[in-house]
Amino acid sequence: EVQLVESGGGLVQPGGSLRLSCAASGFTFSSYAMSWVRQAPGKGLEWVSSINFSGGDTYYADSVKGRFTISRDNSKNTLYLQMNSLRAEDTAIYYCAKDSDTAWQKDYWGQGTLVTVSS
Amino acid sequence: DIQMTQSPSSVSASVGDRVTITCRASQGISSWLAWYQQKPGKAPKLLIYTASNLQSGVPSRFSGSGSGTDFTLTISSLQPEDFGTYYCQQAKSFPVTFGQGTRLEIK
Repeated sequence: EVQLVESGGGLVQPGGSLRLSCAASGFTFSSYAMSWVRQAPGKGLEWVSSINFSGGDTYYADSVKGRFTISRDNSKNTLYLQMNSLRAEDTAIYYCAKDSDTAWQKDYWGQGTLVTVSS
Repeated sequence: DIQMTQSPSSVSASVGDRVTITCRASQGISSWLAWYQQKPGKAPKLLIYTASNLQSGVPSRFSGSGSGTDFTLTISSLQPEDFGTYYCQQAKSFPVTFGQGTRLEIK
């Protein structure tokens, strides 16, 4: 059974940093691209970042480019999102998602971790 | 960026009804479209991938069609558990973009 478990969310002040983690199990992690998608309170889904299976290619939404860094450790079956220079508008539930083997379609999602940016 | 526009924004229907949700892309995306269902407080769930392929475990009353710029998600006979918000997502190019969502309410 595929499982994705996010951690690392919490309350942080504007300008602060957080690192999210996503522990994966139930599939060959090193064979699949992975993504982060967020959802602000009461809003729709917003793609944040994706990384290919090896970690050699990364992609970012313009809203987070230069502030967030996606990475993965295939030896630990873990996906990361380093978030710096956080802003109030980054407040959201952050979901980790596994990308299917047909393009960037997300076939499994974690339960999400809440990030709140507030003073 | 490719913009995804869903309609309607919300719909209320009765059990047994046929429900159709549409998604339009601002430029052609071939068949690189996915549909997700999200229930309150839960993560999204993949229903349809590559426009018309049913994800494993998803009931056959869900179907998807379309290619290019116009796509449709159809629920052939609405069930009580189908309430929630439905999103389309284009997977043709980065940035990946989602539609704004369609909220489905059961009458």
